[in-house]
Amino acid sequence: DTEVTQTPKHLVMGMTNKKSLKCEQHMGHRAMYWYKQKAKKPPELMFVYSYEKLSINESVPSRFSPECPNSSLLNLHLHALQPEDSALYLCASSLLTGTNQPQHFGDGTRLSIL
Amino acid sequence: QKEVEQNSGPLSVPEGAIASLNCTYSDRGSQSFFWYRQYSGKSPELIMFIYSNGDKEDGRFTAQLNKASQYVSLLIRDSQPSDSATYLCAVSGESGGGADGLTFGKGTHLIIQP
Repeated sequence: DTEVTQTPKHLVMGMTNKKSLKCEQHMGHRAMYWYKQKAKKPPELMFVYSYEKLSINESVPSRFSPECPNSSLLNLHLHALQPEDSALYLCASSLLTGTNQPQHFGDGTRLSIL
Repeated sequence: QKEVEQNSGPLSVPEGAIASLNCTYSDRGSQSFFWYRQYSGKSPELIMFIYSNGDKEDGRFTAQLNKASQYVSLLIRDSQPSDSATYLCAVSGESGGGADGLTFGKGTHLIIQP
């Protein structure tokens, strides 16, 4: 178990569905991240939030829409996904931005697109 | 574009021996270096981080950094079967481990033989 909590753990959705992934941390971290990890590949950065503001978008398709409602919560809204979007979606957080703070990962949401 | 290179393995080490994992990186401006352990089907778990040239020890783990050679390594002493996992080397940029996100190597699959 980690101090970064992701829900749901598993999600199966059709290409026309709308769903959301949720990430929560109560460690007072002010930077939060979304990564995507395909099988047998390393995690790839998608988005970075710094003090609740989007600071990095790694050219992610608009069918992925991040949201950071407060300093503890990070959402990833999904709409019209493609089968190739099936992957493990990892949320991470770090204490501060712009400093050498390690990132701590949640357990991930395993997403399958039918 | 930052690149992080690791030998994918598998690296097979007898129980009780020292496992040596290596990583090179392309961006000379990189400041922070992290080792994560990932068991199959699980999320990455932070093992070590290092920012300065030299060695950093934590229990059975030692991280080594040589910025001139753009090389970072992880030594695992007294290897145990539970150390069998994929070890991911990750690097972040000039602003540190916070806002930049991490660039991962492809990981080294380590097998500890009982």
